Amino acid sequence: GQQVMQIPQYQHVQEGEDFTTYCNSSTTLSNIQWYKQRPGGHPVFLIQLVKSGEVKKQKRLTFQFGEAKKNSSLHITATQTTDVGTYFCAGPSAERRGSQGNLIFGKGTKLSVKP
Amino acid sequence: EPEVTQTPSHQVTQMGQEVILRCVPISNHLYFYWYRQILGQKVEFLVSFYNNEISEKSEIFDDQFSVERPDGSNFTLKIRSTKLEDSAMYFCASSPGTSSNQPQHFGDGTRLSIL
Repeated sequence: GQQVMQIPQYQHVQEGEDFTTYCNSSTTLSNIQWYKQRPGGHPVFLIQLVKSGEVKKQKRLTFQFGEAKKNSSLHITATQTTDVGTYFCAGPSAERRGSQGNLIFGKGTKLSVKP
Repeated sequence: EPEVTQTPSHQVTQMGQEVILRCVPISNHLYFYWYRQILGQKVEFLVSFYNNEISEKSEIFDDQFSVERPDGSNFTLKIRSTKLEDSAMYFCASSPGTSSNQPQHFGDGTRLSIL
């Protein structure tokens, strides 16, 4: 079945260092979404990428969608302690045409930031 | 900003008992979802709901599970005879749109503990 894979599973960084998480799908995606989940919290939507090769920025966060629309990355520049959490990528299920948007989540990358 | 609300925040139940988890999606949203997250693991899709019927369901969503929208605001997940492995965080989500290209808004979740 369709899989969405993320690496690394964990990342420990010193505050101020950069951080990148990578996402790969076994199938071509119509779009990819990124969510952040703080410890004990719920997934919060960050961004959606739709176009092949798209790059979007949100302050220190840079999101990329691969040319083949099967991979994506999230890069955080100069991490802060507020960046702590698990970052998930998610893509819509390709199992059925006209899928109503149920998401297949990656396993997430858990980021810890040492002050 | 409108939120998805879920009740209760924590439910403790004996194995074999029925539980009902409640959600109030964002009022003008059309698509509703249930996901679950076993502790420390990824978010897994259970079921999507649109126009008063199930749109899609995953393999996890077997005959023990059912969803209902009993009135214009609530969206419920019922587990008929709970098992130990049903212990997880259950998230309700909603999205406004009519395609998979819509961000999903998650509630805070219900932590279900089966004893």
